Amino acid sequence: DAMVIQNPRYQVTQFGKPVTLSCSQTLNHNVMYWYQQKSSQAPKLLFHYYDKDFNNEADTPDNFQSRRPNTSFCFLDIRSPGLGDAAMYLCATSRGRRDYTDTQYFGPGTRLTVL
Amino acid sequence: AQTVTQSQPEMSVQEAETVTLSCTYDTSESDYYLFWYKQPPSRQMILVIRQEAYKQQNATENRFSVNFQKAAKSFSLKISDSQLGDAAMYFCAYRSVDFGNEKLTFGTGTRLTIIP
Repeated sequence: DAMVIQNPRYQVTQFGKPVTLSCSQTLNHNVMYWYQQKSSQAPKLLFHYYDKDFNNEADTPDNFQSRRPNTSFCFLDIRSPGLGDAAMYLCATSRGRRDYTDTQYFGPGTRLTVL
Repeated sequence: AQTVTQSQPEMSVQEAETVTLSCTYDTSESDYYLFWYKQPPSRQMILVIRQEAYKQQNATENRFSVNFQKAAKSFSLKISDSQLGDAAMYFCAYRSVDFGNEKLTFGTGTRLTIIP
């Protein structure tokens, strides 16, 4: 089945130790998104790629970076994780069409714990 | 900037009964898209129903329907004949029609519990 896959599902890192989260998709979608969802809060978009074009949200900290080496994969790098970065990180994809049928498909998320 | 508000952090409903989840939003745009997403425990978020703002007719998907009141900026979700599998966190979300601004702005969610 076509899907959005996130690895790992659970990630534990130490304060200040770089960490990379992975997302892959078999939907061949043009757009890939990274959302941060803290406990009891709404998911918040960090950035997204439309094909190779990177779009950063204005309030995304510089500590967060992303790479999209090809259509299928997208990575979220947290250069120096702080305790406040502990959250669920959601990857989503969409075709990138200009209409409301352009559904975003979400992966199961990676729960990041910072010790 | 758009905001989405879900004022009910938790709701519960008896199995087979009907429940309505509330959502209000704020925007200066005249056309936009609205969505309800469901996030079951430890599972991915999936789309439940969507509405295009310029369409006055309320969207319906099987047991799920919305009450879209554009002037009031209200977008509630009605679940009829509630089933145990409906237990989840429900998020209301807004998306601009502007190309290049496809991000979803979510509310804080409503946790729905189904009572057997």
